[in-house]
Amino acid sequence: DADVTQTPRNRITKTGKRIMLECSQTKGHDRMYWYRQDPGLGLRLIYYSFDVKDINKGEISDGYSVSRQAQAKFSLSLESAIPNQTALYFCATSPPAADYGYTFGSGTRLTVV
Amino acid sequence: AQSVTQLGSHVSVSEGALVLLRCNYSSSVPPYLFWYVQYPNQGLQLLLKYTSAATLVKGINGFEAEFKKSETSFHLTKPSAHMSDAAEYFCAVTQGGGYNKLIFGAGTRLAVHP
Repeated sequence: DADVTQTPRNRITKTGKRIMLECSQTKGHDRMYWYRQDPGLGLRLIYYSFDVKDINKGEISDGYSVSRQAQAKFSLSLESAIPNQTALYFCATSPPAADYGYTFGSGTRLTVV
Repeated sequence: AQSVTQLGSHVSVSEGALVLLRCNYSSSVPPYLFWYVQYPNQGLQLLLKYTSAATLVKGINGFEAEFKKSETSFHLTKPSAHMSDAAEYFCAVTQGGGYNKLIFGAGTRLAVHP
């Protein structure tokens, strides 16, 4: 099994619908992150969580919310999806040590029509 | 604030040629620097990292990068490109002190042609 699992892998949804992207990890790390990837923009941080009780906004959190259900699970929700939220979404996890780097999931490709 | 600039959104090389992907960073404190690779339809995989030990860092698949503080650069190189190197490459920076948020560059797509 993958260290970081994201579901679904692909999703098409309609404008205005609520959608949840799920992420689980088996690395045993406390820190988890949600990034969004757009062509030419790289990866931008949406939300991050340093432990179950610590959740923080990233640079582009508007229109998104998150839930840290357990150390291993971190979900991203779009309360009312809009077309410009069409993107590739990545979940990642890391230990506290800054020099370790992140372990990424395989991504969720979301299309809002 | 930290930032990363990757020069060249697309780089094309011939198989067997030198690969050079450029990354410049901005950081007010000593940084940790990373290169990640993304193959089509996959997540990001760590290629190599600089963590203040040796300035020349060797990674997987024959890639290496050199940290140059005076130039605020961390360019990625590979002496001889292989078709399987075609992918998107991301440079990222973070700092210590418990913050540990990676800031990514915009990415460079590498094409390798026969």
